[in-house]
Amino acid sequence: EAGVTQSPTHLIKTRGQQATLRCSPISGHTSVYWYQQALGLGLQFLLWYDEGEERNRGNFPPRFSGRQFPNYSSELNVNALELEDSALYLCASSLSGGSSYNEQFFGPGTRLTVL
Amino acid sequence: AQSVTQLDSHVSVSEGTPVLLRCNYSSSYSPSLFWYVQHPNKGLQLLLKYTSAATLVKGINGFEAEFKKSETSFHLTKPSAHMSDAAEYFCVVSDLAYGGATNKLIFGTGTLLAVQP
Repeated sequence: EAGVTQSPTHLIKTRGQQATLRCSPISGHTSVYWYQQALGLGLQFLLWYDEGEERNRGNFPPRFSGRQFPNYSSELNVNALELEDSALYLCASSLSGGSSYNEQFFGPGTRLTVL
Repeated sequence: AQSVTQLDSHVSVSEGTPVLLRCNYSSSYSPSLFWYVQHPNKGLQLLLKYTSAATLVKGINGFEAEFKKSETSFHLTKPSAHMSDAAEYFCVVSDLAYGGATNKLIFGTGTLLAVQP
């Protein structure tokens, strides 16, 4: 069974540009989560999508946005990139949300570098 | 609000000796607690989870953790370290809000485990 996949592996952008990161969940999973792992800040929750809807959002500015498609894959968009957006962005998927007991399976991440 | 504190940022052990990675939690409700491991250039992998069943939880690769409510702790242990255990370990609590889960995982700052030959 294929795990969570993310693309691209690495992404290099300059300040002010937009970045788009993609995630495909495990087959049968309808929930997708995005986390940021920045140096010195640890792993922080960004967004949770379930059944195409945004269910929860972490403490990030509105220029971090995303969506979930009918096939449950997801896109994370970061507008007006800033240097401090440089981080590893991890996507996770789980069975339908609403329970604290659904294991989240993580992808390998996209390394975003903002120059 | 829920939170976890990992008491050691770095732990170094010799191969074949016991591993202890410490984690304390804070939660207004009965928490769901997890330990994840992250090997270099790889994603996070779930080692084990506590969800209010047995207080001693066994995970993969010989790891286990004990939930101690009186001490608000969830320490990760392994009797004998292997070189392949070298990685970063995260203690995690599932965020809960009044009325139900939010599905948001709150991560500790991580403990880097080094295993010396």
